[in-house]
Amino acid sequence: AQSVTQLGSHVSVSEGALVLLRCNYSSSVPPYLFWYVQYPNQGLQLLLKYTSAATLVKGINGFEAEFKKSETSFHLTKPSAHMSDAAEYFCAVRWNQGGKLIFGQGTELSVKP
Amino acid sequence: ETGVTQTPRHLVMGMTNKKSLKCEQHLGHNAMYWYKQSAKKPLELMFVYSLEERVENNSVPSRFSPECPNSSHLFLHLHTLQPEDSALYLCASSRTGTAFETQYFGPGTRLLVL
Repeated sequence: AQSVTQLGSHVSVSEGALVLLRCNYSSSVPPYLFWYVQYPNQGLQLLLKYTSAATLVKGINGFEAEFKKSETSFHLTKPSAHMSDAAEYFCAVRWNQGGKLIFGQGTELSVKP
Repeated sequence: ETGVTQTPRHLVMGMTNKKSLKCEQHLGHNAMYWYKQSAKKPLELMFVYSLEERVENNSVPSRFSPECPNSSHLFLHLHTLQPEDSALYLCASSRTGTAFETQYFGPGTRLLVL
């Protein structure tokens, strides 16, 4: 079955350090890819989406993600973490136009001062 | 008001109560969704409405009853719920028929069933 996997349910970084949140999908056919962020007691907010225009996608709040077809990955990065980045991050995949949006299990990011 | 709004934001109900959750989207979208988010579990898609017709019902118990009177409004009617139904219920909307269709979410309703 097609699936999306986020490696690590919890990631902790120091303020100012690099943030790397991993997302891998199971199909060799590139799907439609998204990253969402959920702050405490809030809904999901779209961070960025892969549109095939470029493999490196820039999103809001300084986040970016790189699509790597050979690795079936779409990892999320930010060069320098800020305390306000503490939240849960979800990778989501749609396999075809009109298909369901499938979410990973989420990665909780903690930022230490 | 823009985006997707949900009311109430918090709800406590007994197992014999009847209540409704409301969602409204101001984005001109034609599809709306209900998701359930429980602690330590992946997001679960419950219902999908496209052009006001229900197109998906993911084996959701009948104590949850959705209603979509028009493309901007979505309701989730609740009756005789169980404590395990306590969760965050998220509404989302999108414009279907586009290659990079994107779902936009509301803030959620935090439901506690006693």
